[in-house]
Amino acid sequence: QKEVEQNSGPLSVPEGAIASLNCTYSDRGSQSFFWYRQYSGKSPELIMSIYSNGDKEDGRFTAQLNKASQYVSLLIRDSQPSDSATYLCAVPRKVAGSARQLTFGSGTQLTVLP
Amino acid sequence: DTGVSQDPRHKITKRGQNVTFRCDPISEHNRLYWYRQTLGQGPEFLTYFQNEAQLEKSRLLSDRFSAERPKGSFSTLEIQRTEQGDSAMYLCASSLEGNSVRGNTIYFGEGSWLTVV
Repeated sequence: QKEVEQNSGPLSVPEGAIASLNCTYSDRGSQSFFWYRQYSGKSPELIMSIYSNGDKEDGRFTAQLNKASQYVSLLIRDSQPSDSATYLCAVPRKVAGSARQLTFGSGTQLTVLP
Repeated sequence: DTGVSQDPRHKITKRGQNVTFRCDPISEHNRLYWYRQTLGQGPEFLTYFQNEAQLEKSRLLSDRFSAERPKGSFSTLEIQRTEQGDSAMYLCASSLEGNSVRGNTIYFGEGSWLTVV
């Protein structure tokens, strides 16, 4: 089982709809979770982090965490064509001392159709 | 506030040649990471520095790869005797120290694309 799994997509939604992106992880001890957005040919850009069970909202983005089910999701409301990108889920893994490195899923490619 | 800077942004090299990438992290960040990303995959961890000390290396980092951070500021990643399988985007990232939100929040540079022909 991969440490972090995402549906690769592609996921297509019409403009204005809600896009739902899902991620599961294998380490029950994971405490924090990150969503990055990556446009084609560009580097990952942090958009959300979540640490507690439940929902966290930031503008049109909502991250949802369910630690019991080892599941984290990202909802994008009122999707715009500019949201078309690959969304990467990441979970920290201990490297040395208190440091963590991020283990990424393979990403979900989202296309928002005008 | 400048972000993480990487140079060069693109490099095309012949198989067997050596290449070196440079990374300048966000100025107050003492943690620095190198990742590699190939098409259709998420970034994969290569190595981690705390200040000038290289504290973790992935098994992906073969003997042909070496990374340094001599003064705890910028870092270099060198690939010797490049192979076609080394073609990828090499990402540098940095974060603050700490065992909380700020220590876990990692910011990426724009990446250095390597093509080995």
